[in-house]
Amino acid sequence: GIQVEQSPPDLILQEGANSTLRCNFSDSVNNLQWFHQNPWGQLINLFYIPSGTKQNGRLSATTVATERYSLLYISSSQTTDSGVYFCAVGTGTASKLTFGTGTRLQVTL
Amino acid sequence: SAVISQKPSRDICQRGTSLTIQCQVDSQVTMMFWYRQQPGQSLTLIATANQGSEATYESGFVIDKFPISRPNLTFSTLTVSNMSPEDSSIYLCSVEGHSYEQYFGPGTRLTVT
Repeated sequence: GIQVEQSPPDLILQEGANSTLRCNFSDSVNNLQWFHQNPWGQLINLFYIPSGTKQNGRLSATTVATERYSLLYISSSQTTDSGVYFCAVGTGTASKLTFGTGTRLQVTL
Repeated sequence: SAVISQKPSRDICQRGTSLTIQCQVDSQVTMMFWYRQQPGQSLTLIATANQGSEATYESGFVIDKFPISRPNLTFSTLTVSNMSPEDSSIYLCSVEGHSYEQYFGPGTRLTVT
């Protein structure tokens, strides 16, 4: 099956810093989504982005499908950004998602 | 976006017993999914819950261990059968929105002793 690797695995930032999270996948995809799992375990959908670039407030994402990677940018980080960020991809039957390894982010004061 | 609830939110169960987890959505949806998240790990898809037919299971998951029901377009259940400590995980249901994005319920934290 498809492999989905995320980097870095762990990241510690001071409040106000910017960061870039990367998602590499091993095969062509027709579905790619970014999620944030907060410290209480709730998964929030950030972006549906199988290709191109999207922005939502301090967050933006870019997927280069031909090169099999996606990037999530977090600007002016806040403590509420802490948690685990997952990318998830779908191939073929696009609805089924394979989740990546995750990036654990901690934002400190 | 869809609003999804799960019951119970958490439970502690003895090995050998079974637990049924409920997932309720506030609107009709075609696609519903069940995932497992083992401690400190990523999410793994267990099965796709199909309305009016048997669930479609992923490799490594079988109906005898994880029977699923989908009686209508807003509700599904997952049963974890004959539990062992290795089944201790968070179990999450998700639905697909109109634009292919997925939304997740709050999860059920299961501890098996």
